[in-house]
Amino acid sequence: EIVLTQSPGTLSLSPGERATLSCRASQSVSSDYLAWYQQTPGQAPRLLIYGASIRATGIPDRFSGSGSGTDFTLTISRLEPEDFAVYYCQQYGSSPMYTFGQGTKLEIK
Amino acid sequence: VQLVESGGGLVKPGGSLRLSCAASGFPFSTYRMTWVRQAPGKGLEWISSVGSSGNYIHYAVSMKGRFTISRDNSKNSLYLQMNSLRAEDTAVYYCARAGGLYYLDFWGQGTRVTVSS
Repeated sequence: EIVLTQSPGTLSLSPGERATLSCRASQSVSSDYLAWYQQTPGQAPRLLIYGASIRATGIPDRFSGSGSGTDFTLTISRLEPEDFAVYYCQQYGSSPMYTFGQGTKLEIK
Repeated sequence: VQLVESGGGLVKPGGSLRLSCAASGFPFSTYRMTWVRQAPGKGLEWISSVGSSGNYIHYAVSMKGRFTISRDNSKNSLYLQMNSLRAEDTAVYYCARAGGLYYLDFWGQGTRVTVSS
């Protein structure tokens, strides 16, 4: 079973700053199988990035994904107030089918 | 695309619940569907997925044997039968569409399940 470890657990930044969130896999993951989600309090998760670097429909271009193998990154170039949320990475595998990281909370400094 | 879950509530340990997810706005019968849960203050946990025609069913190891996923394409609906519920099953349960098999592109708002005596 592949384990995804996200860091940092909490990231404190100000609007306008750049955010870099990390997702490390315990084994190599195909880039096709890596996705990122955003969840605001009381809401369902929203797909941001799939295939490690492809923005989902309607996602602003300040969100970008990169990485390969075991190390993947979600970058938010200039933080907007609505970006403060919890972010999860997810990988697709055989068993379990979908594995999520533990999440990174992005909070306002 | 709209996914609306229902059927959650308060149930005693050992009890059962059947969750439903009504889908609309897309050709339901052509997509794999998935249940994911989130315990209070915790992260996301995949429960089960079912292929577009009701085949290719997969479960998380911890849920296999207690939970049963099913779908009715004639009703555009997804179901999760949960038996022998435990306190640790307390969570918000989401249904989600597997947009490209490898990721979940649309999620419902969730239904809350509380297992308590």
